[in-house]
Amino acid sequence: NAGVTQTPKFQVLKTGQSMTLQCAQDMNHNSMYWYRQDPGMGLRLIYYSASEGTTDKGEVPNGYNVSRLNKREFSLRLESAAPSQTSVYFCASSVGTHTGEQYFGPGTRLTVT
Amino acid sequence: GESVGLHLPTLSVQEGDNSIINCAYSNSASDYFIWYKQESGKGPQFIIDIRSNMDKRQGQRVTVLLNKTVKHLSLQIAATQPGDSAVYFCAEGEGYKLSFGAGTTVTVRA
Repeated sequence: NAGVTQTPKFQVLKTGQSMTLQCAQDMNHNSMYWYRQDPGMGLRLIYYSASEGTTDKGEVPNGYNVSRLNKREFSLRLESAAPSQTSVYFCASSVGTHTGEQYFGPGTRLTVT
Repeated sequence: GESVGLHLPTLSVQEGDNSIINCAYSNSASDYFIWYKQESGKGPQFIIDIRSNMDKRQGQRVTVLLNKTVKHLSLQIAATQPGDSAVYFCAEGEGYKLSFGAGTTVTVRA
């Protein structure tokens, strides 16, 4: 069991470039999440997917889009990167949505110059 | 606005002592509360959670206490070990939504 995997681990983008962060889980979880973590702060929810085929906005969705490709995979896309999107991005999954027991991936460290 | 926060940003503990990490919350509608541990360069790791209708829950070497009267949450770690050095986050949950505090950095002294 790999748990939650994320690719890439590191990425540097120029302002205006686009990219997709990939996330996959092998725990047969229904719900998946994308968070960002900025220095000295807790995690903030960008988007979540309660189940396959559904996605909803979280606390900070502006500038991002998501796709729940299937039950295993949940991707996050930055269409036009901005320096304010420099952050560490974490994907997580859980059995359902009404639980705090989420399993996190190792993160993607993104720098936008 | 509503927020989850920790009382102290850092905590230094002697190896073998008990640690207590505190957290204040303000959303009285939260269904559950959670503690996560994050080691450097890694994603957060679930430690323990507690439902809003409970006031205490114990795990392996950890105990979470919930005081709804004063909206306070704490995590107690027994016999702190060097491997407990990390950033600890409390979070409150309402439905799907988790709101995280800023974290407390715990350093264990040998």
